[in-house]
Amino acid sequence: SQQGEEDPQALSIQEGENATMNCSYKTSINNLQWYRQNSGRGLVHLILIRSNEREKHSGRLRVTLDTSKKSSSLLITASRAADTASYFCGRDDKIIFGKGTRLHILP
Amino acid sequence: DAGVIQSPRHEVTEMGQEVTLRCKPISGHNSLFWYRQTMMRGLELLIYFNNNVPIDDSGMPEDRFSAKMPNASFSTLKIQPSEPRDSAVYFCASSATSGYTFGSGTRLTVV
Repeated sequence: SQQGEEDPQALSIQEGENATMNCSYKTSINNLQWYRQNSGRGLVHLILIRSNEREKHSGRLRVTLDTSKKSSSLLITASRAADTASYFCGRDDKIIFGKGTRLHILP
Repeated sequence: DAGVIQSPRHEVTEMGQEVTLRCKPISGHNSLFWYRQTMMRGLELLIYFNNNVPIDDSGMPEDRFSAKMPNASFSTLKIQPSEPRDSAVYFCASSATSGYTFGSGTRLTVV
């Protein structure tokens, strides 16, 4: 399966705190991607990490990849209200998404 | 670039009617995907095309659903006849080498 499974299903944190979401997968990958979906909108591509990379940064986003554990994490630092959304991971081509992590930033 | 363009944004139709959803991918993207999203089932991949050719339609729920991509700049998803359980948000996405770009979706309500 090319599905990613996100964990936790839901996460609520105070504004300014860091948010960490995890993704697990079952078979080997070439790359893994993270997406954000705001309510009622399409998914927006955030970051792609390749199988030979262990960590990647983009602004307040930090993604790690552990191919031995078949897992990835997305860290959002200094969270803001605008980060409230659902976050999905997907791998390689023909991405089959999991249910995502619903992140809610509390004011 | 205007991004992936889907039409209509909203569609309300009566059960039994034919519904056609449209998608214009980003120019130069050679892969196109149709997804359906509901609260119960999440985001489901229905079908995807590569260079206008359907590669995998195993996610198409039943024969009432069909998709075409007559050229690199246009794709349709048709439901005939429509049923209330088809109510969902349908997304189109396109990609080139990495990362998908999604359209804003079509919210379909079948009454």
